[in-house]
Amino acid sequence: DGGITQSPKYLFRKEGQNVTLSCEQNLNHDAMYWYRQDPGQGLRLIYYSQIVNDFQKGDIAEGYSVSREKKESFPLTVTSAQKNPTAFYLCASSPRDGDTQYFGPGTRLTVL
Amino acid sequence: GQQLNQSPQSMFIQEGEDVSMNCTSSSIFNTWLWYKQDPGEGPVLLIALYKAGELTSNGRLTAQFGITRKDSFLNISASIPSDVGIYFCAGEWNSGNTPLVFGKGTRLSVIA
Repeated sequence: DGGITQSPKYLFRKEGQNVTLSCEQNLNHDAMYWYRQDPGQGLRLIYYSQIVNDFQKGDIAEGYSVSREKKESFPLTVTSAQKNPTAFYLCASSPRDGDTQYFGPGTRLTVL
Repeated sequence: GQQLNQSPQSMFIQEGEDVSMNCTSSSIFNTWLWYKQDPGEGPVLLIALYKAGELTSNGRLTAQFGITRKDSFLNISASIPSDVGIYFCAGEWNSGNTPLVFGKGTRLSVIA
């Protein structure tokens, strides 16, 4: 089946620890994105990548880091510098930047 | 940056009623998309619009690309309980060079 997978669905971490969220796609899409969603809120863009080995900051990149070493994978690291990391994180991909985006199921991160 | 104003922010309706929501912008968009997000899941694409004036249906859903290219609406007819969720509009304005712009969402609640 083609699609976008995010794992795990729920993640718990202690305050001060870095944590990496996984996002994989087998749609052969060039562009990938990370969004953060807080309760009752819209989607805020964290980072995006238009092509392998390249990525750009979105609107709220502080406290996050990404890598794009493979076309299929775009992991997001939530660092200890992110002051309020508890949120629902969504990954998406599109054939190219600006095209229709397709979303993964999301990872709910809770920092205790 | 580009912004989309989505309204209403939330709505409560009786099962069987029709629903209408819209997105507006001060800038021209080339593509309009409508997504639905079920609680705890990633958004799913409902309808994509590519041409000014285009009217497209998907079952009980109908969406239109405004003739000025600065707005779009989504109608849901004869609502049912599973229509509950958050509906997002999104637009593409820069011919594939920048990510989609998302509205803040309309939260729909259906009372049986």
